[in-house]
Order: sequence, then structure tokens, then C-alpha cells
Amino acid sequence: QLVLTQSPSASASLGASVKLTCTLSSGHSSYAIAWHQQQPEKGPRYLMTLNTDGSHRKGDGIPDRFSVSSSGAERYLTISSLHSEDEADYYCQTWGTDIRVFGGGTKLTVL
Amino acid sequence: EVHLVESGGGLVQPGRSLRLSCTASGFTFGVYAMTWVRQAPGKGLEWVGFIRHKAYGGTTEYAASVRGRFTISRDDSKSIAYLQMNSLKTEDTAVYYCTREWGGDTDYWGQGTLVTVSS
Repeated sequence: QLVLTQSPSASASLGASVKLTCTLSSGHSSYAIAWHQQQPEKGPRYLMTLNTDGSHRKGDGIPDRFSVSSSGAERYLTISSLHSEDEADYYCQTWGTDIRVFGGGTKLTVL
Repeated sequence: EVHLVESGGGLVQPGRSLRLSCTASGFTFGVYAMTWVRQAPGKGLEWVGFIRHKAYGGTTEYAASVRGRFTISRDDSKSIAYLQMNSLKTEDTAVYYCTREWGGDTDYWGQGTLVTVSS
């Protein structure tokens, strides 16, 4: 079963960096992952995708402070030079031929 | 500029039906799959279903929680995707978003429309 696991919460200080983790279920470690941001009281916004070949693409207007990487079944979203507006829920997403799956989301607090 | 605008949400009684629309602009609608995602109050994102573009048969896939009750369709001539929701349950209460996707990769979201199922 295709499942994505995210830590419920994370925190980091203004100006610092934070690395959010999304873990793919066993047997699915090669899947691509997309990341989405949802600021308080707003709809989700697409951030970027890490493809299976290691390439990535970003959504419109997403700053270079946002980057993606992976190791095994783990996928990472790193946000550097944290701004106050980065305080949001972050969701990872993956897909198969006939299914789409979201992680439970990580609530990022900027201290 | 890509725009997705959902409409049709509202208050509906359990067991009744509702149809949501997603009107797209700013891109060639017919070559993209369209997906519906929902978010119950205070909860995370839940995939509802998607419809492939016509070159892939325009076929649909659904989450187990809505299969048999919800139907997704599209009208490429109007750049609209629909979500027909039948036999609604209180647990279907959520903000419903439509998204554009390419091969599973969602890259644009609408602003969402609220559906409240309550007697």
C-alpha cells in the first residue's frame, strides 16, 4: 500500500533552515514526490517536485530558498533563510497509475 | 496565467446530491488530467479522484471512500471539470479543491469550495 509519512510538526527560528521529511512506504522508495504549502486560512499551493531521475521542477514564483532532495525512501524539503510567511502546513504527495496519495502534513512553526 | 475556479458548494442534507464545477483558464485544458482533493475541517488533504485527458480515454479513478457515490467528468469544450456527489454523508463535509496535473504531478490548485453536509 502506497503511504506517505510526515512528522506532525516542526519548528525553526527566523532566518534559519529547516528540513522536512516525507517517508515512502516499503516497496515504493523510487516514487516521485511533490510538495505543497498551505498557509493559514489559505488553499494549498504547489511548491516543487522531485522526480524519480533526481531532477526537479518548481512552481511559479517559488523562491530558491526552497529545495528538495532524497535518500532512500525519504524525501526532503529544505527551506533556508526562513521567513515568517513560511509558517504553514507542508504536504508531500505521490502518485501511482490509479491513485494519488498525500502525507498527513507537517505544521511548520517559525520561531 | 493558470486559473482554476471551483463553484457549486453549499449546505446539503445527508443523502442528497451536489455537483461541483471547476472552471479552468490560462492553459490547454484538454491535455491535462484534472483531480479533486478535499480537506475536512481541521484535517489534512485527501485525494478524492481524477479524470485522465481524452488521449488516455478520459477514464477516472476514485478513492475508496467515495467510489460508487462520486463521479468525475469533464467538458473540454468549456474547460470545465465536474464532481458529481451523490448519497452525501456528514463525513463528506470539506473544502473541495480541483487541481491540474500532469502524469500525477499536481501543479496548480483552485481556491476551493466548501461543502457542508448536515441536516
